[in-house]
Amino acid sequence: GAGVSQSPRYKVAKRGQDVALRCDPISGHVSLFWYQQALGQGPEFLTYFQNEAQLDKSGLPSDRFFAERPEGSVSTLKIQRTQQEDSAVYLCASSFSSGRETQYFGPGTRLLVL
Amino acid sequence: RKEVEQDPGPFNVPEGATVAFNCTYSNSASQSFFWYRQDCRKEPKLLMSVYSSGNEDGRFTAQLNRASQYISLLIRDSKLSDSATYLCVVVNFNKFYFGSGTKLNVKP
Repeated sequence: GAGVSQSPRYKVAKRGQDVALRCDPISGHVSLFWYQQALGQGPEFLTYFQNEAQLDKSGLPSDRFFAERPEGSVSTLKIQRTQQEDSAVYLCASSFSSGRETQYFGPGTRLLVL
Repeated sequence: RKEVEQDPGPFNVPEGATVAFNCTYSNSASQSFFWYRQDCRKEPKLLMSVYSSGNEDGRFTAQLNRASQYISLLIRDSKLSDSATYLCVVVNFNKFYFGSGTKLNVKP
């Protein structure tokens, strides 16, 4: 069956540009998560949705980061006025119900800010 | 203090060897535990859940020690295809906390 998909897979942005990253979770999965993974590190939590409700956004590093999931399925992570330190892999994951369960990851979007 | 600590390795072992990784966590109220595997430039994939009673899946055995707040992964009879980074995960209040990963290189 279809897994979690993300687009674009690669994004090069000039500093100051806005970017939007898309995540399509596994069909029927209630919970959706965004992570940021720097080189040589484990993924770091950014934000969590249950259906369309954003229950936790404590990991978003600044107010330049914004995420939405308006219809409880597809989610978009938007980064405004990108900075070089935003360069990382952005991973999306989904789980069937709660965040305590197994999460299934998408292939990630590799963002490079020049 | 980080939520989850892992030895980054690398662990370089010959085929057929047994290798063990440990991971410590700081929050004694953590609710769920997992091991994920991540290949180079790929997404993390679930290897196995970890239970207090210990659990085994083929050549892989995972163990949780709540008293000492660590989880372990044992790989027996290592294969070349086991080469990857192994991430331990601790779950607190619906949030996954990942360790930085332990890199394993299995050599012929």
